[in-house]
Amino acid sequence: DTEVTQTPKHLVMGMTNKKSLKCEQHMGHRAMYWYKQKAKKPPELMFVYSYEKLSINESVPSRFSPECPNSSLLNLHLHALQPEDSALYLCASSQSRDSREETQYFGPGTRLLVL
Amino acid sequence: AQTVTQSQPEMSVQEAETVTLSCTYDTSESDYYLFWYKQPPSRQMILVIRQEAYKQQNATENRFSVNFQKAAKSFSLKISDSQLGDAAMYFCAYRSGDNTDKLIFGTGTRLQVFP
Repeated sequence: DTEVTQTPKHLVMGMTNKKSLKCEQHMGHRAMYWYKQKAKKPPELMFVYSYEKLSINESVPSRFSPECPNSSLLNLHLHALQPEDSALYLCASSQSRDSREETQYFGPGTRLLVL
Repeated sequence: AQTVTQSQPEMSVQEAETVTLSCTYDTSESDYYLFWYKQPPSRQMILVIRQEAYKQQNATENRFSVNFQKAAKSFSLKISDSQLGDAAMYFCAYRSGDNTDKLIFGTGTRLQVFP
């Protein structure tokens, strides 16, 4: 089973709202990722968690705040977003950073629209 | 820095025919991994096939196979017996073998399949 789930599927929010995106995997993977994807572009890495600790932040603005409550869950808290933050947000997981079986499996994404 | 190039923004194929998508990459590393991901209109990124650079044998997964030319830094994807469900955006991706988490994506090739 290589399933990564994401909720919600769609989200519309105003620039003053606070919302959260959720990602879950039950494959025993110890690395989890957030990507942002604009239309007709490849995904861009935002954050990486390894063993529940933040290991990479790709200079993402502080209005995006990741959280990894446990090894199966990854959240992305959103606050004071801008319209240009509208995109598809993809979560992925992989076995671990130390494994040669380092294939990332993606969730279905959350389509975010910021008004 | 590593780069991935997909020079075909769009390709089309007749159902049941064969099509090849091109990908070239630039790296000075000897240990790395290459991937093809498929992203249908539903936007979920689906792993199609993976190749370890240290393996000379080309990877195959059912109707999907790769032509991995390490010296030429080329990693093309061949889809045999194309089906309507193969219509999607295809991304080639590179990952370093030094356990960094970053997937470097190409710009994608949109594949249309005609009945």
